[in-house]
Parts: sequence; structure tokens; C-alpha cells
Amino acid sequence: EAAVTQSPRNKVAVTGGKVTLSCNQTNNHNNMYWYRQDTGHGLRLIHYSYGAGSTEKGDIPDGYKASRPSQENFSLILELATPSQTSVYFCASGDVNNQAPLFGEGTRLSVL
Amino acid sequence: QQQVRQSPQSLTVWEGETAILNCSYEDSTFNYFPWYQQFPGEGPALLISIRSVSDKKEDGRFTIFFNKREKKLSLHITDSQPGDSATYFCAASGEKITFGAGTKLTIKP
Repeated sequence: EAAVTQSPRNKVAVTGGKVTLSCNQTNNHNNMYWYRQDTGHGLRLIHYSYGAGSTEKGDIPDGYKASRPSQENFSLILELATPSQTSVYFCASGDVNNQAPLFGEGTRLSVL
Repeated sequence: QQQVRQSPQSLTVWEGETAILNCSYEDSTFNYFPWYQQFPGEGPALLISIRSVSDKKEDGRFTIFFNKREKKLSLHITDSQPGDSATYFCAASGEKITFGAGTKLTIKP
């Protein structure tokens, strides 16, 4: 069964600390995405990837880095976490036609 | 610049009524429009989708109406059930996919 798995599901971090959110997909999809979800803003694209070794900036990339070491794994990295990055983060994977990506369950991040 | 707009932000209807959720977009290159349903604590899940070559797509109680000329579409949920209470996202896809801000739907029994 197609799946996108995120870890951790919940994370509390301190301001200035480094945070890594991980995502694994078993769908053999080329494309993977990181979104954040905030009330009133819907889903906003942070970074995405077309395949292993590639990362692209989305609409709100500032303060975030991404890494795609393999087809299955895509990480989001906050080098210096700030309270404004408190949010729910979703990873998704999709085929090359960018049609209807499949989402993970989300990671709730609180930066104190 | 918000390329995909949804209205209303929130909607309450009685059980058995038809809920109508609206969506509009700006980029004429968008050619695929999925709608996602999201329950609290879960990720968005694909509900129904339509391609720009069609003007209607039906799946059970869920129907998308699409007006390419006006760049508008709507999701109709007939015979609404309390279990339909969720947030619904309209999305538009061309080179990449863009999401609206969502409509929170509440169905009162």
C-alpha cells in the first residue's frame, strides 16, 4: 500500500537549535514535497525534489534546507529554529506529472 | 500572491443538505484540480479531482463543477453527513501544485 511516513510526529525544539524532520515514501514516486500548514494560509510549499540528489526552493524556503539522499527519503532541516517556525509540517510524494500528491500524517513542531 | 482562492472560510450546513464550496484560480496554465479532505490530526487525503478538459466530475455524493472561462470551480456535497465535517482544500496543478487556504465544513445533525 502506498505510504508516506513522517518522523517524528511531534517535536519540541529550543530557539536556535537544529531540527531535522524526516520523511520516507514507499511509492517509488520521483517527486517529494515539504509543506507547512498554518491557520488561514492552507498548505505552503517550502522545498521539493524531483529525485535523489535534487532539491528545489518552493514558495517559502527561507530558514529551511532540504536533503534528498535517496528516492525514498526527503528531510527538512531547520539549522537555527525560530518560534515563527512553529507549525505543522507535511511531507508528500507524487509522480512526475505533479498530480495529486500523497501526504503523510504530519509533524507538529513547537519552537520555544 | 494567492493563486488559488477558496470561499467561504467556514461553512455550516444541516445534515441532509447540500454543501457548496467554492474555488477560483488565476493561472490559466493550471490543468488539473484535485480536492483534498482533511480531518483533525491527519494529513490531507485526495477526495476527488477534475481535469480542465471536463466541466463536471461526480463521485457518489461529491461533484465538482468546473468553469474554465471564469476560472472557477465548486465542490458540491449532497446529502451531507456529520462524517463529512472536515477541512476541504482546493488545489490547482500545472508545473507544480498550489493549494487554497481551505474551507472548514461543519455538518450539524
